[in-house]
Order: sequence, then structure tokens, then C-alpha cells
Amino acid sequence: NAGVTQTPKFQVLKTGQSMTLQCAQDMNHNSMYWYRQDPGMGLRLIYYSASEGTTDKGEVPNGYNVSRLNKREFSLRLESAAPSQTSVYFCASSEAEQVKRGNTIYFGEGSWLTVV
Amino acid sequence: GENVEQHPSTLSVQEGDSAVIKCTYSDSASNYFPWYKQELGKGPQLIIDIRSNVGEKKDQRIAVTLNKTAKHFSLHITETQPEDSAVYFCAASIGSGGGADGLTFGKGTHLIIQP
Repeated sequence: NAGVTQTPKFQVLKTGQSMTLQCAQDMNHNSMYWYRQDPGMGLRLIYYSASEGTTDKGEVPNGYNVSRLNKREFSLRLESAAPSQTSVYFCASSEAEQVKRGNTIYFGEGSWLTVV
Repeated sequence: GENVEQHPSTLSVQEGDSAVIKCTYSDSASNYFPWYKQELGKGPQLIIDIRSNVGEKKDQRIAVTLNKTAKHFSLHITETQPEDSAVYFCAASIGSGGGADGLTFGKGTHLIIQP
């Protein structure tokens, strides 16, 4: 029972390089999310996708782009990585379109990204 | 937007004692309040949640209470065990209006269970 799967687990980038974090869920969920986690800052929403074909900005979208490739997959792209993007990134998914209806968010195991 | 404050940032308790973590939220329209446990090197996992039409919910050693008037909610862990050591996050659904926009998280509490 895989749940939410993210790749890669670890990545080191040089400033200015680009990369894509991949995420897939096998729970047939409609909504998917990308969060970043920094020490003392908790989890902050970068982008989310309420349903296949839609994406919206969260709290900290600058420097990122996303693609909802299909219902299962939601990727996060860093076009020109900066040291400030060093963080742990979590992909997540939930069943319904609106978390306010009280639907649980399920997280992946995280991707550790270092930008030097 | 929603703002969630969580206290304390670190909590150390003796094994067998109780632990209480408190959160406040700003948006009175929020109606869903989950708690997540994050172990080292892992993603957050839901341990309990409460909706705004309920004042308290219990699941074995874990309970959550909600005071809508005061806009705060708390996690209570009784008879703590070493495996309870982790970082705990509270969260609240983001404010009014439409949109599937995830949750706003507190900054986390590092719970340490002393043997």
C-alpha cells in the first residue's frame, strides 16, 4: 500500500540549476499539494491542485512551478534553484476537493533538497 | 489568511506522565483541526482530528479538545511512552471562501519523553 510516493529522496543542486520533484498517489485522491518544511517554520503550502487540470498558488509559490500531469501525479519544478530553496519538500494528497470539509491529508516521506 | 500559533516549541515529560500541546487559530471560519505526528526522517502522519461541531474527541491515550469561542484547540497525550517522542503539528483549514487550499500548520512541538 504505497500511498504518496515522492522522488528523489535526496538531491544536491548548484545555484541556478533546475530540477523537478515527482509525486504520485495511488489512493484515487482528487487533491494534491506541495509543502516545504524549514526549521522553526513548520509546513508551508507552495502549490496545490484541487482536481486534475487545476493548480493554484499557496503561501510561498515564488520560484516554483507545478504540473498536475494526471489524477495520480503532481510535479514541482525549480527552474533556477537558489540557496533559499534548501528545504524538505513534502507532497500530499486528500480525497475531496476541499480540505475544509474535513478530509484527511496524507503525506509522502519527503524530499531533502540542498542548493549550494 | 489563517494563522496558527502552537505552544510550546519543546516539551519534555517523564515517561508515564501526560503531555499537553496547545494551538490557537485566527480564522473563525476554520472548521477542521487535525494533529500530525512526525518522526525523524518521515512525513507527517495524522493521529487525530476534530471538526468544529464537536468539543472533544478521544482515541485511546490521545484526546483533542476544541474551544471555538476562544479559537483554541489542544492535544492531550496520557501515560506517555518512549514511542511518543516526535514532533507534533497542529493545523487548521484555511479561511473563508472557496478553493481547495490545504491546511495552515503550527510550527511544531518537539515532544521528548524522558525515561
